[in-house]
Amino acid sequence: DTGVSQDPRHKITKRGQNVTFRCDPISEHNRLYWYRQTLGQGPEFLTYFQNEAQLEKSRLLSDRFSAERPKGSFSTLEIQRTEQGDSAMYLCASSSQTVNTEAFFGQGTRLTVV
Amino acid sequence: AQSVTQLDSHVSVSEGTPVLLRCNYSSSYSPSLFWYVQHPNKGLQLLLKYTSAATLVKGINGFEAEFKKSETSFHLTKPSAHMSDAAEYFCVVSGSGRGTYKYIFGTGTRLKVLA
Repeated sequence: DTGVSQDPRHKITKRGQNVTFRCDPISEHNRLYWYRQTLGQGPEFLTYFQNEAQLEKSRLLSDRFSAERPKGSFSTLEIQRTEQGDSAMYLCASSSQTVNTEAFFGQGTRLTVV
Repeated sequence: AQSVTQLDSHVSVSEGTPVLLRCNYSSSYSPSLFWYVQHPNKGLQLLLKYTSAATLVKGINGFEAEFKKSETSFHLTKPSAHMSDAAEYFCVVSGSGRGTYKYIFGTGTRLKVLA
């Protein structure tokens, strides 16, 4: 158990609906990351936060995607007007501010858009 | 920009034989490098990490990796494969603060262990 929690674990939604995922990082970690993983691929970076500040966003992150970390603790990832191509595993990870540290990953939220 | 290339998408070995999973990296400066393992329907687990302290890094479950700057490689090895090693393995590079803290994943190598 890595200590990073994601909710829900599975989500099935109809195309065009909005979905929101939650991530609770390891409590003492101030960096939080979101990744997307499709079948047979490695995780792709989406965005990351240091405390409540969103420091970097991937060009993969379209305008339909938004992430927040309002109090520097948990984070939410919202996808608006979902498309079938959004079907994937969404992974959250956290890390400390120590130099050269690793990221700890949650179990992920599997999104299926039908 | 940083990147990693995993040279084999699939590797098959017999149980008890050595494992070699290859990874080359690209980075403008000395990177932090990691290997993660992902078992089916399980989360990503750290196997080992290189952070410039020693070029030969030992990890969990008998895995180790050697950082070779001249070859820009960070290959993962294990002397004797076990059935439980069958999984997807990811090589990862991080800038570790040199402009970015994000972790960049390779495309993965699926390891199959034959009885």
